[in-house]
Amino acid sequence: QSALTQPPSVSGSPGQSVYISCTGTSSDIGGSNRVSWYQQTPGSVPKLLIYEVSNRPSGVPDRFSGSKSVNTASLTISGLQAEDEAVYYCTSPRRGVTWVFGGGTKLTVL
Amino acid sequence: EVYLAESGGGLVQPGGSLRLSCAASGLPFDRCHMNWVRQAPGKGPEWIANIGSGFNTDYADSVKGRFTISRDNGKNSLYLQMDRLRDEDTAVYYCVRDEAWAFQNWGQGTLVTVSA
Repeated sequence: QSALTQPPSVSGSPGQSVYISCTGTSSDIGGSNRVSWYQQTPGSVPKLLIYEVSNRPSGVPDRFSGSKSVNTASLTISGLQAEDEAVYYCTSPRRGVTWVFGGGTKLTVL
Repeated sequence: EVYLAESGGGLVQPGGSLRLSCAASGLPFDRCHMNWVRQAPGKGPEWIANIGSGFNTDYADSVKGRFTISRDNGKNSLYLQMDRLRDEDTAVYYCVRDEAWAFQNWGQGTLVTVSA
């Protein structure tokens, strides 16, 4: 199963907003509102940030938001902070049965 | 609090077998949809298998026919039997609960190294 497509890297200065895209097909992202996003810092386990396109679990700051248009999902991080430096992954079920991840986007806070 | 603890990882030769276990607590395990997700060194996560509360299973193409996921609700445990292991199966293997179509809870992972 091929991965969802994410940009390898993005960067921003503290206080700015950054956008991370995740492109799939009608068999995954375009087929349902079930995209989720994860944050992973070095040596740590992936942490759920966003589920069902735009919902945040309790404890996740509202600086993190998600959206979707057709076959592309997006994660927006507003008011960038140094602690946001991490790798971000998107995922979606494919045909409602299997799961596929994005290749990951490394966020650098300048 | 949800707690997932994997065990059983280690070094194995290509073609060998290994069985991973995951002990779960703090959740209604028998009603949970459970997954194994792996992450090769320096790579992103890869979903490889899941098992529903009704014991239905699904697999990624990369492991289909070689790996078997199972569960024992009486022991609150999830398992992954890995046969005919290959070099490319080297990864940290995570036990993960999904809910609301997202990977909500992750264990700390167990490292599997396939090497001669």
